Amino acid sequence: KAGVTQTPRYLIKTRGQQVTLSCSPISGHRSVSWYQQTPGQGLQFLFEYFSETQRNKGNFPGRFSGRQFSNSRSEMNVSTLELGDSALYLCASSLRVGQGPQETQYFGPGTRLLVL
Amino acid sequence: QKEVEQNSGPLSVPEGAIASLNCTYSDRGSQSFFWYRQYSGKSPELIMSIYSNGDKEDGRFTAQLNKASQYVSLLIRDSQPSDSATYLCAVLSGGSYIPTFGRGTSLIVHP
Repeated sequence: KAGVTQTPRYLIKTRGQQVTLSCSPISGHRSVSWYQQTPGQGLQFLFEYFSETQRNKGNFPGRFSGRQFSNSRSEMNVSTLELGDSALYLCASSLRVGQGPQETQYFGPGTRLLVL
Repeated sequence: QKEVEQNSGPLSVPEGAIASLNCTYSDRGSQSFFWYRQYSGKSPELIMSIYSNGDKEDGRFTAQLNKASQYVSLLIRDSQPSDSATYLCAVLSGGSYIPTFGRGTSLIVHP
């Protein structure tokens, strides 16, 4: 079974620009979560989408947004980029079956964003 | 606020030794616990999950969970230089789908 895929893998942007990142979950997984990882802050949760709806949201400004499509693929958008947005952006998918607590998240390879 | 604490390290062990990584968590309602390994520049890779008190073994890896003391640990036997990585502890509370991650412990296995 193919794993989580993310595109693009690397991206260089300048301040003020916007960027869209894409994530395709493992086949059958309906939940997609996005994380930002930086050396200083570690892994920080951005938001989670399930059945095309944002179900959970982390503590990030409104410049960070996302969406999920009917095939569970998800996109994340960052508008008005700032230097501090330079990070590894990770997507993780999970089954999210019922209320089961034994949910496991599987990560994609990430998109490394550099803002100049 | 749910917290997951890990010693940032680096933890340095000689090749062949046992590496012991520890993680404590604040939420007593936590039900699922995961260890991820992350090589430099790569994404986290799941290596172990544990849900009930006690030990769970998988090859050279053993996860230990003590809910009363609110800690989970990962033992790596016969450590190899290829085990050098950052190990992330993740904890999932009951009813939640979003795990809380620790900051990770850097492990260095030297020949």
